[in-house]
Amino acid sequence: DTAVSQTPKYLVTQMGNDKSIKCEQNLGHDTMYWYKQDSKKFLKIMFSYNNKELIINETVPNRFSPKSPDKAHLNLHINSLELGDSAVYFCASSQGDGSYGYTFGSGTRLTVV
Amino acid sequence: AQSVTQPDIHITVSEGASLELRCNYSYGATPYLFWYVQSPGQGLQLLLKYFSGDTLVQGIKGFEAEFKRSQSSFNLRKPSVHWSDAAEYFCAVATSRGYSTLTFGKGTMLLVSP
Repeated sequence: DTAVSQTPKYLVTQMGNDKSIKCEQNLGHDTMYWYKQDSKKFLKIMFSYNNKELIINETVPNRFSPKSPDKAHLNLHINSLELGDSAVYFCASSQGDGSYGYTFGSGTRLTVV
Repeated sequence: AQSVTQPDIHITVSEGASLELRCNYSYGATPYLFWYVQSPGQGLQLLLKYFSGDTLVQGIKGFEAEFKRSQSSFNLRKPSVHWSDAAEYFCAVATSRGYSTLTFGKGTMLLVSP
C-alpha cells in the first residue's frame, strides 16, 4: 500500500498549457504539503494545508493553485506553464505540526518544452 | 525564520569506511531536526528525527545523528558505509512552535567507492 501517491510520475507538456498533479495519502494525516525540487536538488515549500484549509502559501506565482477536496487529497493545478516550472514536485503529509516528520510521495517530474 | 546549512555538496567514502555528514541549523529555540535520504529518481525517506530527550538518535539503515545545541549541529553518522548508501542526503529543520514546514538544506551527495 502506497502511503502517499502522486500521479502522474512524469509529465511532459508545452509552454502555455494547463496541467494538474494529484496527490492522495492513506495515512490518516491531517496536513499535506507541496514541495518543489529544482534542478540543483533544492527543496522549497510551496503550500501547506491542514484539514483542507490553506495554512502556508509561500511566494508562489498565482498560476499555481492547490485544491484540497478532503484531508486525504491535495491536488496542484498549474496554469500557463513556463519553462521555469520544470522541476520535480513532491507531495507530503504529516500529522499535526509535523513534529514526527513528513511522509513524501515519489514525486512528479514536470518538463515544460 | 529557520535555516539549514549542509557545508558539503559532495562526499566520497570508501565502502566499509565511516561516514559523517554535517548539518548546521539556525533557529532561536530547540528545533525539530530530521535527516532524509533520496535515492536517484525516488522520493525522500526519513532516516531519523530529533525533537527532545536523548541527543543521540538512532535511525534506520544503521544511521545515527547527534544533536549538539552548543554548536547548532545535527551531524549524521554511520560506522560502515555500504555501496547502497550512495544517495543524496538532506538535513531539515522545523520550528517547535505552532504550524511550520520543513526547511531543507541543499543536500549532500554521498558517493561510495569500492
